[in-house]
Amino acid sequence: EVLLVESGGGLVKPGGSLRLSCATSGFTFSNVWMNWVRLAPGKGLEWVGRIRRKTDGGTADYAAPVKGRFTISREDSQNMLFLQMDSLKTEDTAVYYCNTHDSGDYPAPWVRDYWGQGTLVTVSS
Amino acid sequence: DIQMTQSPSSLSASVGDRVTITCQASQDISNYLNWYQQKPGKAPKLLIFDASNLETGVPSRFSGSGSGTDFTFTISSLQPEDIATYYCQQYANFPYTFGQGTKLDIK
Repeated sequence: EVLLVESGGGLVKPGGSLRLSCATSGFTFSNVWMNWVRLAPGKGLEWVGRIRRKTDGGTADYAAPVKGRFTISREDSQNMLFLQMDSLKTEDTAVYYCNTHDSGDYPAPWVRDYWGQGTLVTVSS
Repeated sequence: DIQMTQSPSSLSASVGDRVTITCQASQDISNYLNWYQQKPGKAPKLLIFDASNLETGVPSRFSGSGSGTDFTFTISSLQPEDIATYYCQQYANFPYTFGQGTKLDIK
């Protein structure tokens, strides 16, 4: 069974920091790219960033609103994904999800799309 | 960044109705488009990948079509359990972007 479990959410003041974790099992974590996606109250889904697998360089990319403040990392030996959030703003308040998505055409169309249950981050004074 | 324009933003329909949602990309994304369903308090659930492929286990009343810049998502016969918010998402180019969502409810 595939499982992704986020943790580390909570209440933090503007300007503060928080580190989210995503524990995974049931698939070969080191072989996949991982994403963070968030859902702010009353808003739509927003892609936060992604990290490549080590064989593709292991580097991360970020959406403009979080670039320079958020850092995605991974620990393949523990099947763990992380999101370090610094200089938090009230507009970062959201449920944060970890996700992996991959698809292909051979021998038939296939997809692998897994999500965690989300962890709530509230940025408020 | 590629902008995804999804419409309508909300929709009210009756059980058994055919429901259609559209998504337009600001540039050609080939078929790199997903459709997700999200219910309150739950993670998004993938329904359609690569614009028209049905995810395993998803009822056949859900379908997707389109390529390039214009895409359509259809529920052929709306069921009560389909009440949710639906999102398109492009993954042709970084950063991946979602449409603004369509909130679907029962009349």
